Formats: sequence, C-alpha cells, structure tokens
Amino acid sequence: GENVEQHPSTLSVQEGDSAVIKCTYSDSASNYFPWYKQELGKGPQLIIDIRSNMDKRQGQRVTVLLNKTVKHLSLQIAATQPGDSAVYFCAENFGLIFGTGTRLQVFP
Amino acid sequence: KAGVTQTPRYLIKTRGQQVTLSCSPISGHRSVSWYQQTPGQGLQFLFEYFSETQRNKGNFPGRFSGRQFSNSRSEMNVSTLELGDSALYLCASSYSSGRLGTDTQYFGPGTRLTVL
Repeated sequence: GENVEQHPSTLSVQEGDSAVIKCTYSDSASNYFPWYKQELGKGPQLIIDIRSNMDKRQGQRVTVLLNKTVKHLSLQIAATQPGDSAVYFCAENFGLIFGTGTRLQVFP
Repeated sequence: KAGVTQTPRYLIKTRGQQVTLSCSPISGHRSVSWYQQTPGQGLQFLFEYFSETQRNKGNFPGRFSGRQFSNSRSEMNVSTLELGDSALYLCASSYSSGRLGTDTQYFGPGTRLTVL
C-alpha cells in the first residue's frame, strides 16, 4: 500500500528536550496534512493539522512546518513530557495516506 | 459529546469465516471512514461513507465491504477471512459535507480482529 515516508521510526528523548519528526509526501495536490498521536490501545487522535496555504502552525508545545516545494513536513514537540510517549503519524491526501509512524519514548 | 464507538473491541475468527464490525460516529457527523492498521502495512484507508453512499475507496479486495445507515452508523464486512486480515480496524467520523479531510477526523478505539 501507499505510505508517506516518515522518520525516524523510533525516537528516544529525555523529558524536557524537543522531539522532531519528519515526513516526505508524494502528492503535490495534497492540501491538508494532519498529525496524529496514537497511545497504546487507543485510536489515533489529531494533535495538529496544517493546510497548504500555510507554512507553519503552532499549537500547545507542538509546531508543524510545511515546505511544499520539496514536499516536506515536520512536527516539533517542545518540552517533552512522559505523557507524550506514543506513536505519531503524519498523513497526506486529505488524511487518506498515513506515514509509517514514529514511536516516541520520553524518559524522565 | 460521546466519541466514536466501535463494537466489538476484540474478535477471534477462523479462516474462511466472515465478520461484521460496527461503528457509531459522533452525533451529527455524517462521514464515516474505515482504516486497517497492521504492523507491516501501517494505517491503510479502506473506504468512506457519506449520507449512506460510498464516497471514497482504498485499494482493498472486494472481500472488504461496508455500508452506512440513515442514522450514520456504519458497518464493515470482511468475507472469506484470511490470516492476513488480522489487524486493528479503525473507524473515524467527521462532520464533513465536503471532500474527506476538509474537517477533522475523530477515531474510535478500534476493533482488534484475530484470524486463526
């Protein structure tokens, strides 16, 4: 199946540090890019999204950057907490194609 | 407001059987999408229903089908189960009356299907 290229596949950081996850998408017509957090035993939960008319969007401790020229997305989580430990997914094509996922572990 | 609910949460079937999974969207949401999640293939889009009509379809064989009722509740059916159908099946709903993805999708907890 189709997937958005996402890396790293696993990421370990110390509490308080920042975590950065990157995605490369393929469909230049995509104009909506959600990011999801999936905790063990739960469905994905939207944490932030960005549309193609923006190149940056900020939420609470999260920032997403979009570079349409090179079809790159990135998610930065600042001041990480143990509760941020989960699998994170980017998505493109109106949320129909998901990234391969990044397992983030935040150590106290 | 209650979230997306899926039943059953866990299911064990044997090869060749068929299975029906159910999804109740958030009240007022008219779009329901289904996804398959496996360790090997990740999250794969199955199909989306809006106002009882299939509006989008992923690249899955015809053994996978779905439907939506007038109250927006949706079911998906998998016939002639194969070992590779073992997965977490996720349902997501959105208000969207426009193209899928123009509104936030809210996911349910999923149904874990094991095929023996």
